[in-house]
Amino acid sequence: AQKITQTQPGMFVQEKEAVTLDCTYDTSDQSYGLFWYKQPSSGEMIFLIYQGSYDEQNATEGRYSLNFQKARKSANLVISASQLGDSAMYFCAMREPNTGNQFYFGTGTSLTVIP
Amino acid sequence: DVKVTQSSRYLVKRTGEKVFLECVQDMDHENMFWYRQDPGLGLRLIYFSYDVKMKEKGDIPEGYSVSREKKERFSLILESASTNQTSMYLCASSLSTAVKTQYFGPGTRLLVL
Repeated sequence: AQKITQTQPGMFVQEKEAVTLDCTYDTSDQSYGLFWYKQPSSGEMIFLIYQGSYDEQNATEGRYSLNFQKARKSANLVISASQLGDSAMYFCAMREPNTGNQFYFGTGTSLTVIP
Repeated sequence: DVKVTQSSRYLVKRTGEKVFLECVQDMDHENMFWYRQDPGLGLRLIYFSYDVKMKEKGDIPEGYSVSREKKERFSLILESASTNQTSMYLCASSLSTAVKTQYFGPGTRLLVL
């Protein structure tokens, strides 16, 4: 079974609008971490935001927030006030300390911001 | 700032060649990782290492080997390159505890002809 599922291969959003990128995860562990990365066309992977499984508050970093719904095992990324520079691939990832030091990545969502 | 560097951004090799991809990190991280990235498949883990001279197979180790002789350096080796190894290769590193992110290198786009 897939550890991380991203069901949206591609998304479009109008500039200055908000957009939600979906991510669901599969784990039986109580302790885990969830991550979002951005990959522009240049290829570098840029860390955006982290959510620990025990964190009660949703993580926020500037225009990025993580909508963490533990019971549903979802960790959606919300980008507010989209900018043209937000056009990129976005990857959701999970780390389970109990299974070693591996990170599990989803297949990614390609976001295009329309002027 | 953490820095992860990879020896080449672009590489063109011929089928059957032995290929070395080098990765160096400067933050004394215990863990290092090699991924390959293909369209529609996301990042798939090839090998990772949690200490010097230690290595663990990831999801797709076939056709690859690794070497970690020093803490800061993690090498990926394609013993006999094949066309299906044409891909983007990403190296990453992280601490072993209190892990709140992995740090990635810029990637190597490998073309095997």
